Amino acid sequence: EPEVTQTPSHQVTQMGQEVILRCVPISNHLYFYWYRQILGQKVEFLVSFYNNEISEKSEIFDDQFSVERPDGSNFTLKIRSTKLEDSAMYFCASSEKRGGNNEQFFGPGTRLTVL
Amino acid sequence: GEDVEQSLFLSVREGDSSVINCTYTDSSSTYLYWYKQEPGAGLQLLTYIFSNMDMKQDQRLTVLLNKKDKHLSLRIADTQTGDSAIYFCAERETGANNLFFGTGTRLTVIP
Repeated sequence: EPEVTQTPSHQVTQMGQEVILRCVPISNHLYFYWYRQILGQKVEFLVSFYNNEISEKSEIFDDQFSVERPDGSNFTLKIRSTKLEDSAMYFCASSEKRGGNNEQFFGPGTRLTVL
Repeated sequence: GEDVEQSLFLSVREGDSSVINCTYTDSSSTYLYWYKQEPGAGLQLLTYIFSNMDMKQDQRLTVLLNKKDKHLSLRIADTQTGDSAIYFCAERETGANNLFFGTGTRLTVIP
């Protein structure tokens, strides 16, 4: 069964460093998403991406964040200068369509720890 | 803004029914979802309900929606140890593509 994969499973970085979290969405999906979950808090939407551009983003997704689909398979989230409060589990998701019941398939997450 | 609330923990004995509750504030929610997360895995969609429905049953799972009270519940019949996981309630409002999640309820099934 096709699935969304994410690498690495755990990333440790120093405050102020740049990190890139990687995702491989399901191959025939067109819509891509990033969510995050700070420990003990809710899963929060960050951004959605379609046709090589951001379609929606939340207030959390400020100038420190960017997303890219550098090739036909990867979807990346970059945090330019990490802060302690960026420590969280980051989930990538993809869906085949928009609207209706657009089932979003989630990856296993990348745990980011900022020291 | 949208707010989705769940209790954090639930313990049940194997074979009993589990009921996981969720409340939400957004009256324009069109779809409401239940996701399951097992250790080390992503969020897996279990079931969903459209906002014009009151109930949906899928094998051992029953979803009840009280739109007036903005209350959603997931009932798992004959709960098994393999049902131990974190269960997330999520909603999506009309015209939006992103999901709003609760904190998740950790279900522990006691053998």
